[in-house]
Amino acid sequence: EADIYQTPRYLVIGTGKKITLECSQTMGHDKMYWYQQDPGMELHLIHYSYGVNSTEKGDLSSESTVSRIRTEHFPLTLESARPSHTSQYLCASSEIPLGGFNEKLFFGSGTQLSVL
Amino acid sequence: RKEVEQDPGPFNVPEGATVAFNCTYSNSASQSFFWYRQDCRKEPKLLMSVYSSGNEDGRFTAQLNRASQYISLLIRDSKLSDSATYLCVVSRWDDKIIFGKGTRLHILP
Repeated sequence: EADIYQTPRYLVIGTGKKITLECSQTMGHDKMYWYQQDPGMELHLIHYSYGVNSTEKGDLSSESTVSRIRTEHFPLTLESARPSHTSQYLCASSEIPLGGFNEKLFFGSGTQLSVL
Repeated sequence: RKEVEQDPGPFNVPEGATVAFNCTYSNSASQSFFWYRQDCRKEPKLLMSVYSSGNEDGRFTAQLNRASQYISLLIRDSKLSDSATYLCVVSRWDDKIIFGKGTRLHILP
């Protein structure tokens, strides 16, 4: 089993609140990712990081921000939550073998966010 | 057109049957290929990598056809527990990882 953890598992919050979704991994992986997924729909990459002090925007425009101050920690913050942010947020990290091929992702259990 | 395309299904298959589904990719810069499994409201989990020579893991066989740019997954002697969504995933030379939308599989008792 992969050692990547997300908290909280479920979050129900009112419009306008600031929220931070936590993601931690104990595998020493450099690359980490945040994906957004609605029920029955595909995963959308919203942020990723190559390592400490590296953050990049993904393919899906997002009003969230991320930080990577420590290798193991990659939190995602929404400054002002809106109902359109209601979704499942999945964090992942990857182990890149020597040679750069065959990058495998390990996912956390996700945070189901509901904004009222 | 999506870079990674899958038939969304659902595939409704009786227990014990063999089922196969394909995935096509359009970017020739694709270098690594995978099948992930995602249960309802759960996170995706790596099922298997896909190698050019084809590879097998128990009841699961994966094949890659680079010339035609498609990947396949074959499940033999299907079990009820195989019911899930199967995601085709492609990793490119520029480090991008592209997920297909997934194929839903229902194994019927």
